[in-house]
Amino acid sequence: SQTIHQWPATLVQPVGSPLSLECTVEGTSNPNLYWYRQAAGRGLQLLFYSVGIGQISSEVPQNLSASRPQDRQFILSSKKLLLSDSGFYLCAGVYGGAFFGQGTRLTVV
Amino acid sequence: TQLLEQSPQFLSIQEGENLTVYCNSSSVFSSLQWYRQEPGEGPVLLVTVVTGGEVKKLKRLTFQFGDARKDSSLHITAAQPGDTGLYLCAVVYGQNFVFGPGTRLSVLP
Repeated sequence: SQTIHQWPATLVQPVGSPLSLECTVEGTSNPNLYWYRQAAGRGLQLLFYSVGIGQISSEVPQNLSASRPQDRQFILSSKKLLLSDSGFYLCAGVYGGAFFGQGTRLTVV
Repeated sequence: TQLLEQSPQFLSIQEGENLTVYCNSSSVFSSLQWYRQEPGEGPVLLVTVVTGGEVKKLKRLTFQFGDARKDSSLHITAAQPGDTGLYLCAVVYGQNFVFGPGTRLSVLP
């Protein structure tokens, strides 16, 4: 079965610091991969998706970027975090159905 | 405008009551999924509906896909506190995997 490993589970970062969240996929190859952000009590906002190595599509202009250096690796980054970047970040894969990482709660202080 | 709309946004009921939540769109989909998400965790897949008019039952949960495959409903019979959570519908749209904004259900004992 497909699984996604996402880390860290929680992160507290100061404003202006860089960010790197990573997820890796097991159990399938060449899945479509997605990064979502969820504000408290809100739905999942699609940030980026990737259909293959080096292929990134951005859904929402913002202070974040994504990369897919390997088939099973998807990275969310920022050069300088803003307070508004706080939230719950989820990595997801779709191969047939959708499967999710456990999420990262990011607090920018 | 959002691709998927969900109603109601919030719902608070007493244990034992029945409820229905809705997921609507003006677009036609080949399939639709329902998820439940608890705070700090990733969404958990409940069901996938594929055929227009399809009804699927999962214990006390009944899912229906509209005849035109534009909408879906989730009915819970005799709700329990363990049903509390954020209920999300989701679809594949092009290469995107898009969630609705969710219905936050609270079942009070």
